[in-house]
Amino acid sequence: DARVTQTPRHKVTEMGQEVTMRCQPILGHNTVFWYRQTMMQGLELLAYFRNRAPLDDSGMPKDRFSAEMPDATLATLKIQPSEPRDSAVYFCASGLGFVGQDINTEAFFGQGTRLTVV
Amino acid sequence: AQSVTQLDSHVSVSEGTPVLLRCNYSSSYSPSLFWYVQHPNKGLQLLLKYTSAATLVKGINGFEAEFKKSETSFHLTKPSAHMSDAAEYFCVVSIFGNEKLTFGTGTRLTIIP
Repeated sequence: DARVTQTPRHKVTEMGQEVTMRCQPILGHNTVFWYRQTMMQGLELLAYFRNRAPLDDSGMPKDRFSAEMPDATLATLKIQPSEPRDSAVYFCASGLGFVGQDINTEAFFGQGTRLTVV
Repeated sequence: AQSVTQLDSHVSVSEGTPVLLRCNYSSSYSPSLFWYVQHPNKGLQLLLKYTSAATLVKGINGFEAEFKKSETSFHLTKPSAHMSDAAEYFCVVSIFGNEKLTFGTGTRLTIIP
């Protein structure tokens, strides 16, 4: 049963600490997304990759957030230093993206990482 | 730019009665439209999608949605609500050819026994 896997599921950390969230996309998917969900802002796109290259990270605070894809099976989202306002659920999603001339924009979501910064 | 507006933040229906969750979209180009469902403390699951084929789209768990270009709407319906339908529902839009998804603010569906 193919699915997006995120680790850790829960993370509590102190303000100022570095946080790294990991995502394993579905094998064969070539687009990966990072979303953040909060009560106030809802679901916001932070960044997305196609074929491991970052296409859009305009939703991400550049001074403290970074997103990478070291290889096709791993995407990471790092926050350094973390702040209480970063507390949220972070979702990773993957999709097939372009298939020939067509684009399949369906995204498959992981279970999320619930981050609490105290 | 594209956007979606979910007209109700909270909908309550009795078990066995119809469900209607409303969504209006705005898009400069041909939109792709989706409904996702999120159960408590879970990830998001795709219910159904519209990508310029049939305007009436059938999804999982008995849900369906109709794309109405003249009304710029994509409302989600189900003939008979079940207790397991209680969840948060998100209407989502993307521009055909662009993978970025724009989410609505969500509608929380409560089912009354």
